[in-house]
Amino acid sequence: QVQLQQWGAGLLKPSETLSLTCAVYSESFSGYYWSWIRQPPGKGLEWIGEINHSGSTNYNPSLKSRVTISVDTSKKQFYLILSSVTAADTAVYYCARTPITGHCSTTSCYNDYWGRGTLVTVSS
Amino acid sequence: DIVLTQSPGTLSLSPGERATLSCRASQTVSRSYLAWYHQKPGQAPRLLIYGASSRATGIPDRFGGSGSGTDFTLTISRLEPEDFAVYYCQQYGSSPQTFGQGTKVEIK
Repeated sequence: QVQLQQWGAGLLKPSETLSLTCAVYSESFSGYYWSWIRQPPGKGLEWIGEINHSGSTNYNPSLKSRVTISVDTSKKQFYLILSSVTAADTAVYYCARTPITGHCSTTSCYNDYWGRGTLVTVSS
Repeated sequence: DIVLTQSPGTLSLSPGERATLSCRASQTVSRSYLAWYHQKPGQAPRLLIYGASSRATGIPDRFGGSGSGTDFTLTISRLEPEDFAVYYCQQYGSSPQTFGQGTKVEIK
């Protein structure tokens, strides 16, 4: 059974830095990419970026200048840093597992297991 | 980026009825790299379909996916009470992966 448990600060002021952690409870950590996806209240889903066990990352160009995703393989955890937040960054942030084999393209894949989400509110 | 447009925005149906949801892409989705998810209030999305037509682990066979190129369809043959939710399509054929805006399936 695969479980993703996530946590982080839920209330930020504009210009502060968002920081979230996702812990993976799974036998296999190295055989996947690990993603962050967000959902503003009442809206759709936006992919933020992903990382694999060796630290190779891919980011959404729309957020790339403010996003850093990192990994600690020994702890089976990965992290999201989003700098200079504004009210537009208010959203539920999800971590997810992204396969790299099977019916996946060379650049991306579907997301088969998700964390429960963390609501991050940016307000002065 | 590939833009996915889902229709209708809301589908009002009764349990036992058939649901047909559409997802149209702004460009060809290569090799049918398209997935469907549903999301219930306060929960994370759950993967239903990948590769346009392959059911994910544990997904009942009343869920079916079809389509290719730019036009894709999710069909729920007979709605169960737990199927009333918001449904999203996602393309992962080109980066960045993108999602549709969602179709809400509500009880009539």
